[in-house]
Order: sequence, then structure tokens, then C-alpha cells
Amino acid sequence: DGGITQSPKYLFRKEGQNVTLSCEQNLNHDAMYWYRQDPGQGLRLIYYSQIVNDFQKGDIAEGYSVSREKKESFPLTVTSAQKNPTAFYLCASTSTTSGGSPTQYFGPGTRLLVL
Amino acid sequence: AQKVTQAQTEISVVEKEDVTLDCVYETRDTTYYLFWYKQPPSGELVFLIRRNSFDEQNEISGRYSWNFQKSTSSFNFTITASQVVDSAVYFCALSEIRYGGATNKLIFGTGTLLAVQP
Repeated sequence: DGGITQSPKYLFRKEGQNVTLSCEQNLNHDAMYWYRQDPGQGLRLIYYSQIVNDFQKGDIAEGYSVSREKKESFPLTVTSAQKNPTAFYLCASTSTTSGGSPTQYFGPGTRLLVL
Repeated sequence: AQKVTQAQTEISVVEKEDVTLDCVYETRDTTYYLFWYKQPPSGELVFLIRRNSFDEQNEISGRYSWNFQKSTSSFNFTITASQVVDSAVYFCALSEIRYGGATNKLIFGTGTLLAVQP
């Protein structure tokens, strides 16, 4: 089945630790996105990538890093510089080719908690 | 700047009631997309509908209907004969339209929590 997978479902981070959230898609989508959701709020864009080996900062990129070495994968690292990382993280992807659907489809999310 | 406002933070209805979720947006773009997503308690965002700015035709899908009015910058969502399974957070979102290097960045509203009581 085509879709977006995120792992782990829950992740615990200790102070000063970097952690990496996984996002994989088999929809052959070009663009991938990371959003952060805080309780009672909408989603805010952290990073996005339109093509392999290229990515752009979103609205709240500080304390995060990404890579895009493969079309299917867009991992997000939450670094120790991110002082308030507790949130729900959602990955999305979309086609950007002409004629492709511009709708973003989302994965099931990863809930990150700080110990 | 682009902005999406969902003024209703929470709505509670009794099953079989009709309910309308409001969405007002701001954009300087003349072409754009509008979306509605549903977020059930599991957390995953489920795509419901996309509408582009060229098409102001209202849409109906089963018990769901959407009213897009460009003149008032609104894209409201109505659920007819609500059911307990409709309980979720609903997000309205706005996206620019670009060709050749589109970001398709989504601007989300803060969401409306809909609680349908049996």
C-alpha cells in the first residue's frame, strides 16, 4: 500500500540529547515536509525539501536539522539546541510536478517527550 | 502575509444536529488552494477536500459540504446529521500555487475541536 510512515510513534529525549525522527514515503512524491504541532495549535512548518539533496528552512527551523539523501526519506533531527522540543511532529509529502496533485498527505506522527 | 483564522475553538453538538465550521483566510495571491483536514484522536491528519481559487462551486460529499466564497474570503465546512465518529479537530489550510519550484507550503488555522455527543 502507498503511504507515509513515521517512526517511532513515541520518542523520549533526555536533556542535551539529539534524537532523529524517521519519515518514509512510497508515493513517489518529490516534496516532503516536517511540521510541528503544539497542544491547541495549528501546524507550523519546520523544514521542507522539494528535491533530493536540497531543503529549505520553514518558519521554526531553529534547533532542528534535516537531510534528503533519498527521494523516499526525509529524517528530522531534534538537536539539543531546541529548548522546547515536546510536541507532535508530522511529516507530509506531495507531488510538485505539473499535473500532479498539490495535496499534502500526512504520516501518523511522532510524539516527542522530554524526560 | 497569508493567514487562516478559525474563530471557533470548540463546538459541541448532539448527534444528528447539523454543524458548520468557519474558516476565514487572508492572502495577497490571486491564485491559491484551500484545504480541510480532519485530525481524529489518533493524531494523523486526514485530507478531506481541496479547492482552488478559480472554482467557487460548492461541493457536497455525503454528509459533508463546503461553501467557498471568495468575496468574503471564507471556506466554511458543514456536517449534516453529525455522528459521534465526526468528533475530531478540523483544520482549514491555505496554500500558494506556484509552477516550477512550488513550495506548496501550507498555512494552517488553529483548528476547531468538534465534539458530537450521543
